[in-house]
Amino acid sequence: AQKVTQAQTEISVVEKEDVTLDCVYETRDTTYYLFWYKQPPSGELVFLIRRNSFDEQNEISGRYSWNFQKSTSSFNFTITASQVVDSAVYFCALNLGNTDKLIFGTGTRLQVFP
Amino acid sequence: DTGVSQNPRHKITKRGQNVTFRCDPISEHNRLYWYRQTLGQGPEFLTYFQNEAQLEKSRLLSDRFSAERPKGSFSTLEIQRTEQGDSAMYLCASSLDRAFEQFFGPGTRLTVL
Repeated sequence: AQKVTQAQTEISVVEKEDVTLDCVYETRDTTYYLFWYKQPPSGELVFLIRRNSFDEQNEISGRYSWNFQKSTSSFNFTITASQVVDSAVYFCALNLGNTDKLIFGTGTRLQVFP
Repeated sequence: DTGVSQNPRHKITKRGQNVTFRCDPISEHNRLYWYRQTLGQGPEFLTYFQNEAQLEKSRLLSDRFSAERPKGSFSTLEIQRTEQGDSAMYLCASSLDRAFEQFFGPGTRLTVL
């Protein structure tokens, strides 16, 4: 079965703290793609990153970084020096190589307080 | 380049009525997707099109639901004989190709009374 688990339902931090959002996925396929999306209070899903199963290099983009570990089937997302504008629901998603649909986790609500 | 647009943004209807939503994808994208999101959940896949061909439908898509993309550009999602359980946010997305990032529209929030 294909599944994405985001065990953290809600996380609250104070501005400037670092925060890591966990994502664990399940698939038997060898070719797959992983994504992170942000859903701010306005509601529109915003694409953050796409990673394929053959590329385990970690990625950094400004204050955002992603750690992909196939050995633990995890694709975790870290925000460094969080800001109030980072407050949103973050979704991890899985796409298998032989289909177009995205399988989403249940999301993690991040609240950053000033 | 404009993003994905959806109309209407909100729809309130009475149980048993039919509703239709429209999605306009990013112009050069040949793939178009429909998802449904309920409160506190992630989006759930409903169906997708490659150009005008509907290639996959979820089991969630009962026979009251129908989607079309007649000329490979915009798409419509129709729900017949709406039920209260159909209340949700209906999201449309488009992408350039398989496994590429999907860009989402703002959604249509449906409330069935």
